[in-house]
Amino acid sequence: GAGVSQTPSNKVTEKGKYVELRCDPISGHTALYWYRQSLGQGPEFLIYFQGTGAADDSGLPNDRFFAVRPEGSVSTLKIQRTERGDSAVYLCASSSVGGEAFFGQGTRLTVV
Amino acid sequence: GQQLNQSPQSMFIQEGEDVSMNCTSSSIFNTWLWYKQDPGEGPVLLIALYKAGELTSNGRLTAQFGITRKDSFLNISASIPSDVGIYFCAGQKNSNYQLIWGAGTKLIIKP
Repeated sequence: GAGVSQTPSNKVTEKGKYVELRCDPISGHTALYWYRQSLGQGPEFLIYFQGTGAADDSGLPNDRFFAVRPEGSVSTLKIQRTERGDSAVYLCASSSVGGEAFFGQGTRLTVV
Repeated sequence: GQQLNQSPQSMFIQEGEDVSMNCTSSSIFNTWLWYKQDPGEGPVLLIALYKAGELTSNGRLTAQFGITRKDSFLNISASIPSDVGIYFCAGQKNSNYQLIWGAGTKLIIKP
């Protein structure tokens, strides 16, 4: 597609459930980023992929959060045993080497 | 996590007025970026600054990379209704690496 695509756009889940958030980057972009944005705040870095490997996962808040990018394109952010504090907009961005990062529209996750 | 100090938090202005917002940090950054985010959308890059002291314009927008590499400002001249939104600064220490963000400046234009 022309831009970064994130699905679903909205996700409501019950506390304790497992969720997967998907990101389709711009074709050919080798770098992929996940950010989390809470209401009234700027995005907060979670993880950065260069190709298939996680080059930096220092932003993942705890071991309930995990992300994969098995073929160097689509990425999935996985959250286990969701908590109400996980509610936020999860943003994905992609870029070419040294290029501008383009963001998707985000997935709004609500944990009830 | 770490965030940049962005001010003001919000601005109420009349159409046609000039706008100024800034970001400061205790850390040095090699790149400063300014984004705009509309409701329900991801941030969109407005201006990128790569060199200390650099002054760059994009239409009615002008941004500067501070000499100390610890601050940046964004000016919008002659504001129009479509300028409404939230503006974020972001700093980057290395290319293709994580961005550190400000909390945003919400721009509201009074009718």
